Amino acid sequence: EDKVVQSPLSLVVHEGDTVTLNCSYEVTNFRSLLWYKQEKKAPTFLFMLTSSGIEKKSGRLSSILDKKELFSILNITATQTGDSAIYLCAVVGQGAQKLVFGQGTRLTINP
Amino acid sequence: GAVVSQHPSWVICKSGTSVKIECRSLDFQATTMFWYRQFPKQSLMLMATSNEGSKATYEQGVEKDKFLINHASLTLSTLTVTSAHPEDSSFYICSASFHRPLQETQYFGPGTRLLVL
Repeated sequence: EDKVVQSPLSLVVHEGDTVTLNCSYEVTNFRSLLWYKQEKKAPTFLFMLTSSGIEKKSGRLSSILDKKELFSILNITATQTGDSAIYLCAVVGQGAQKLVFGQGTRLTINP
Repeated sequence: GAVVSQHPSWVICKSGTSVKIECRSLDFQATTMFWYRQFPKQSLMLMATSNEGSKATYEQGVEKDKFLINHASLTLSTLTVTSAHPEDSSFYICSASFHRPLQETQYFGPGTRLLVL
């Protein structure tokens, strides 16, 4: 059965800190890994990763995938209070339509 | 682009009534729509996958007669919670993916909070 495990489950840091969120997975015939940010409502798309070693970047957020070790990290630099959210990692396998989500990491940025 | 809407955003109903939730892709055609539910402080749990013009595929443990899904067009899917009970109170979220091969990015609607009294 496909499985996604995120760590830590919860993280509290001060504004300006850099954080690294982890996502490890087991999936049959991996196709892609996606990161989402969920605030009070539904998740918003951040990144989709399909190739190993290629960093995707958007402002202060970046993510990279390691297909050999079956994990991905999401980095946020110079964190702001608006980064407080639940960050969800999900994977999809070849031929599959559905996303398998991890439990999420609840990130809290204190001023 | 890639905007998904849901209606209503909030619904409160009495036990035993049925509730319909609509999910629309506003600026793209979605071959596939997904319905999730999310309990407080938990991750998203996929309920069913809905392909336009065909029957929905339900996840294990999800009652298809209780959660009726209709995907009548490339821009609209509906979820009807029949004979709702308090344990059905939850946050229901739909998502849609593009009408394109190997396009697995899902775009989520804003969600519908259901409270059954």
